[in-house]
Formats: sequence, C-alpha cells, structure tokens
Amino acid sequence: GQSLEQPSEVTAVEGAIVQINCTYQTSGFYGLSWYQQHDGGAPTFLSYNALDGLEETGRFSSFLSRSDSYGYLLLQELQMKDSASYFCAVRGGYNQGGKLIFGQGTELSVKP
Amino acid sequence: DTAVSQTPKYLVTQMGNDKSIKCEQNLGHDTMYWYKQDSKKFLKIMFSYNNKELIINETVPNRFSPKSPDKAHLNLHINSLELGDSAVYFCASSQDTYNEQFFGPGTRLTVL
Repeated sequence: GQSLEQPSEVTAVEGAIVQINCTYQTSGFYGLSWYQQHDGGAPTFLSYNALDGLEETGRFSSFLSRSDSYGYLLLQELQMKDSASYFCAVRGGYNQGGKLIFGQGTELSVKP
Repeated sequence: DTAVSQTPKYLVTQMGNDKSIKCEQNLGHDTMYWYKQDSKKFLKIMFSYNNKELIINETVPNRFSPKSPDKAHLNLHINSLELGDSAVYFCASSQDTYNEQFFGPGTRLTVL
C-alpha cells in the first residue's frame, strides 16, 4: 500500500519559521514533491526532491531522507499570504506511470 | 496566457444526470491528468494520459470516462451522477510523466 502522513494543521506567527513534516510508505518511489493550495485555488508546485538533501528556493526549502522515508518543507520569514494548505506528494516509479500520491495536506495559519 | 483551463468552473446538477468537464492546456505538455479533491481536501488521481494514450486509470467507477481528442485536451464525462460525486475536479498537465504538474482552476461539482 501507499500512505503519507503529515500534520493536519500548523499555526505560526508572521516572520517565524515553520517546518511541515511528511513521512511516507510507498511501493515505488521516484521523488517527493510539495504543493501549495490557497482556499478556493488550485495546487501550485513548490519543490521537488529526488535525492537526499536540502533544496532551497527563496524562502522555501525542502528536505528528503530516503533511508528514513521522510521529508519536510521549511518556510522562513513567514508572511500572511503563506496561509494555505501544503501537500507532500510521492511520485511513483515507471510501473506506476510516475503518478503522484498526495498526503492529506497541512493547513498552515499565519497570525499577525 | 499560457495555462491550464477548465470549463465550467461551477456545475450544479441533479442525481442521475450526465455531465462533462472540459480541460485545455496551451503549455505544449505531453501528459494530462484528472484529480478529484473531496471535502476534506484529499487530492486523488483519477486518470492520466500521455500523448493521448491512457496510462493511469485508478479505481474509478466506470461512470467516469475520460477522452483525449488531442494532446492539448482532456475531457471528463460522468454518467448517472451520484451524491458522492460532489467534489472539486482538477485537470493538470506536465511536460512528461515525471515533471512538475500544473493544475487548472478546478471545477466544483455539486450533485443534488
């Protein structure tokens, strides 16, 4: 089977740093992606890790440890506009058509 | 604007009806997808087409039938709508099956 676990909600204040964890169990693994979705909006791609280590894109960073089946999204210098749902997603291998399996999402609330 | 577009944005219909949702992408991508997002924001893949060929067909009732007339279009037809079909349906596209996915704005389907 395939499953991903991430916290259902996180609250932080403007300017702070927040880390959203994701653990996964999958039969095939080709990488871990992160997507952001604002209320009423579409998911938008944030980052992708195929190899172990940290990927940095501006205020957002994503980390992967394949041996621990674990990753996280780090958001720095939080802004009110970062309030949204964040999804981790595992990409399956070739025999799964490279499909994305999404976690349940973490609702991030940024307070003033 | 280069994007993934879907029509209609909202669809309200009675149980038992048949409806279609259309999706178009002008990004020149080879792969297109349909996802269903339920009221708990769980995002699940339904179908994927690569170069008009069906490559992912998840466990979806056969009342749902995707059709890809060409690489830029992927439509979803739903027969005999049921209350449980109420959800937001997202179309997405990617360069190929292993690249980041770009999502359309979603179609909110409400079955009464």
